Amino acid sequence: SYVLTQPPSVSVAPGKTARITCGGNNIGSKSVHWYQQKPGQAPVLVIYYDSDRPSGIPERFSGSNSGNTATLTISRVEAGDEADYYCQVWDSSSDRVVFGGGTKLTVL
Amino acid sequence: QLQLQESGPGLVKPSETLSLTCTVSGGSISSSSYYWGWIRQPPGKGLEWIGSIYYSGSTYYNPSLKSRVTISVDTSKNQFSLKLSSVTAADTAVYYCARALRGYSGYDHLNWFDPWGQGTLVTVSS
Repeated sequence: SYVLTQPPSVSVAPGKTARITCGGNNIGSKSVHWYQQKPGQAPVLVIYYDSDRPSGIPERFSGSNSGNTATLTISRVEAGDEADYYCQVWDSSSDRVVFGGGTKLTVL
Repeated sequence: QLQLQESGPGLVKPSETLSLTCTVSGGSISSSSYYWGWIRQPPGKGLEWIGSIYYSGSTYYNPSLKSRVTISVDTSKNQFSLKLSSVTAADTAVYYCARALRGYSGYDHLNWFDPWGQGTLVTVSS
């Protein structure tokens, strides 16, 4: 079955750039979607189709996808960006949704 | 603005069946553009997709749960439901319902989930 691998944690200072990776076999051939989840809240979509932003999501959030790695980039990180982030794809070989294990972003 | 709301018992006994309903407001569940799904999150852990249903009744299930899961839709009530049988403590989780954009670029599939319900905690315990 298809597996998405995320680092358990990423730390970044305020104002710096955070990069959260999502690894998968030939993930560049799939569409990757990213969610932000703050404690006690439901996940919120922050990036879809690899790099598109829903309305209301700051331009500081961007995404890319190539080869075996997709990346969520958060520029000019703010304290309010501290959350868990999950990547997600559709695995057509098994007709199922797959989530990455999640990455906890800590703002130092 | 579309909203989803989960409802159902917060406590289920081991070996029994967990039943939840998601009520959709602000839009029609019968839209041809969307699937409707269930995702769960055990305490302190990550997200796990359970399954999704189209308004016509077509379903996709997580293979790891497929033998115990039934998702159904009631278009007259704008609701869809989850039944998970033979539950154990490992099924204790926050259960979310969410809408998924349907994709059909050569094959039927699901894209992203948006929006999500607020989630409901279901505890399996005697």
